[in-house]
Amino acid sequence: GAVVSQHPSWVICKSGTSVKIECRSLDFQATTMFWYRQFPKQSLMLMATSNEGSKATYEQGVEKDKFLINHASLTLSTLTVTSAHPEDSSFYICSVLARPDRPNEQFFGPGTRLTVL
Amino acid sequence: GQNIDQPTEMTATEGAIVQINCTYQTSGFNGLFWYQQHAGEAPTFLSYNVLDGLEEKGRFSSFLSRSKGYSYLLLKELQMKDSASYLCAVRSYNTNAGKSTFGDGTTLTVKP
Repeated sequence: GAVVSQHPSWVICKSGTSVKIECRSLDFQATTMFWYRQFPKQSLMLMATSNEGSKATYEQGVEKDKFLINHASLTLSTLTVTSAHPEDSSFYICSVLARPDRPNEQFFGPGTRLTVL
Repeated sequence: GQNIDQPTEMTATEGAIVQINCTYQTSGFNGLFWYQQHAGEAPTFLSYNVLDGLEEKGRFSSFLSRSKGYSYLLLKELQMKDSASYLCAVRSYNTNAGKSTFGDGTTLTVKP
């Protein structure tokens, strides 16, 4: 079965609204999760590193007040896109760093496609 | 920072062999990954190399030369379902929590 799940798989919203995306590690506890954004025909761009019980670490150029990350438990991290605009339309993917029996693999969620009208 | 280069597109024929190259520049190298990503889906892990040499896994093999900053992914007996984007990613000790930097990906088209 899937190691990492995301919800929703796709969402369409109006400009100015906020959208919350959930990322769950299904079969092990993840102290660290990563959030990526991918525009069409481009590679994955790391947005932030989500750390359980502490503040997320954002990459340069990513607005922390716009992309709110909460990692409240060892199995759940959420990304909230606040006051979404059409330019925020993208494919958002979370990943889990590793699991104890497969330390060099990064497991990705299935992604959430956000379309802002 | 990290600089990763891979060809944008490649085309190959079903049943053939294709090699996708990746060159990188980084300090504190701590592993190179290859991922496969079908259109509209998230990446899936293919291989991991941290030492020089060839790692073989079924139809897919990955090679690494740390001194040359070079890797390749070799796909044998190509199938139509291998049409996808292949991402090279490098992990560095200098980055936090072992995060990887991704190349722009190579879109492989397999033709009958």
